[in-house]
Amino acid sequence: AQSVTQLDSQVPVFEEAPVELRCNYSSSVSVYLFWYVQYPNQGLQLLLKYLSGSTLVKGINGFEAEFNKSQTSFHLRKPSVHISDTAEYFCAVSDSDSSYKLIFGSGTRLLVRP
Amino acid sequence: DGGITQSPKYLFRKEGQNVTLSCEQNLNHDAMYWYRQDPGQGLRLIYYSQIVNDFQKGDIAEGYSVSREKKESFPLTVTSAQKNPTAFYLCASNPVGGTGNTIYFGEGSWLTVV
Repeated sequence: AQSVTQLDSQVPVFEEAPVELRCNYSSSVSVYLFWYVQYPNQGLQLLLKYLSGSTLVKGINGFEAEFNKSQTSFHLRKPSVHISDTAEYFCAVSDSDSSYKLIFGSGTRLLVRP
Repeated sequence: DGGITQSPKYLFRKEGQNVTLSCEQNLNHDAMYWYRQDPGQGLRLIYYSQIVNDFQKGDIAEGYSVSREKKESFPLTVTSAQKNPTAFYLCASNPVGGTGNTIYFGEGSWLTVV
């Protein structure tokens, strides 16, 4: 069965510093990878997704992620964070056999301090 | 504007009561989902439906029931058999077909047992 691991439950960082949120998945088949953001008491919003092609994916709000098949990773990065980036970030995976279903990681809370 | 509407935003349930959470979408999506989110955990799939009058159990379906009588609507009933129902519930939808379709989320509903 597929699984998604987000190693860090919380990542504190100062404003304007770079950040990386880690995500590893386990799957032996082709996968589709997603990053979602959740602000307090709200639903999830798609940041970016990898389906195929270029391994570097750019998303909204200045975020990007790199798909690394050999390391089964899909880490999320931003070169300079803002206070408004404080939120919960979820990595998710689906495979080609059940592309309509997502398996989520446990989430990483990004806390941006002034 | 197109989107997914969940209601109510906050709901309190007494022990032994059934409650129903509403989910309506006007995105013309075929597939709809219900996820449960507990603090510090990722999202877990309760039920999903790919077409009207058909639905399947997800990973944690016990104590829940759903119906899909209309394409736009996918209500979730939390029954008295669900022993720990206090959680944040998220409804989602996406088009069926294609690969890696983005799943869109509603704003969520908080259910608290009192």
